[in-house]
Amino acid sequence: KQEVTQIPAALSVPEGENLVLNCSFTDSAIYNLQWFRQDPGKGLTSLLLIQSSQREQTSGRLNASLDKSSGRSTLYIAASQPGDSATYLCAVLSSNTGKLIFGQGTTLQVKP
Amino acid sequence: EPEVTQTPSHQVTQMGQEVILRCVPISNHLYFYWYRQILGQKVEFLVSFYNNEISEKSEIFDDQFSVERPDGSNFTLKIRSTKLEDSAMYFCASSVGVGTEAFFGQGTRLTVV
Repeated sequence: KQEVTQIPAALSVPEGENLVLNCSFTDSAIYNLQWFRQDPGKGLTSLLLIQSSQREQTSGRLNASLDKSSGRSTLYIAASQPGDSATYLCAVLSSNTGKLIFGQGTTLQVKP
Repeated sequence: EPEVTQTPSHQVTQMGQEVILRCVPISNHLYFYWYRQILGQKVEFLVSFYNNEISEKSEIFDDQFSVERPDGSNFTLKIRSTKLEDSAMYFCASSVGVGTEAFFGQGTRLTVV
């Protein structure tokens, strides 16, 4: 059974710092991995999708990597800003029905 | 930019009542999903729907739950007899295909009293 874990659960950094969020999954047989952002009480905003055949994806200040064999993904945020404060979720797709398995998220606070 | 829309944003209902949560997926998407998030917990998969039938459902999705695509644009989740433990944020999502990016709506907060 696929399980997804995110470490740390919470992170507080000063503005401008580069940071890394971690996601691990127990079954390496995945189709893809998706990173989301969730603001308090709001929906999920898709940030990046990495297919199982890819090693990384970049969007602006965000870079996500995938190491399927070790069951890990990282989300790198460059030059963090207060507006980046949110909860970041990773989710893996392990079945051909589209079912995503989510981690519990990392809550990021970027202090001005 | 196309988006998944959900209504209502917040619904309060009495235990035992039926509720219908509504979603309009992105127009060219073919796969539709419902997820829920109990306060402080992980986002959990409920059901996936393709070609007018359920393709997978979780253990949570018991006989009290049903989904329907009544027309070409709406996708609904019905809970027949709500329980206190059904209180959660319910998210609808859609994707073009399996393995493509999934887009989520803003959610419906369901409160059962």
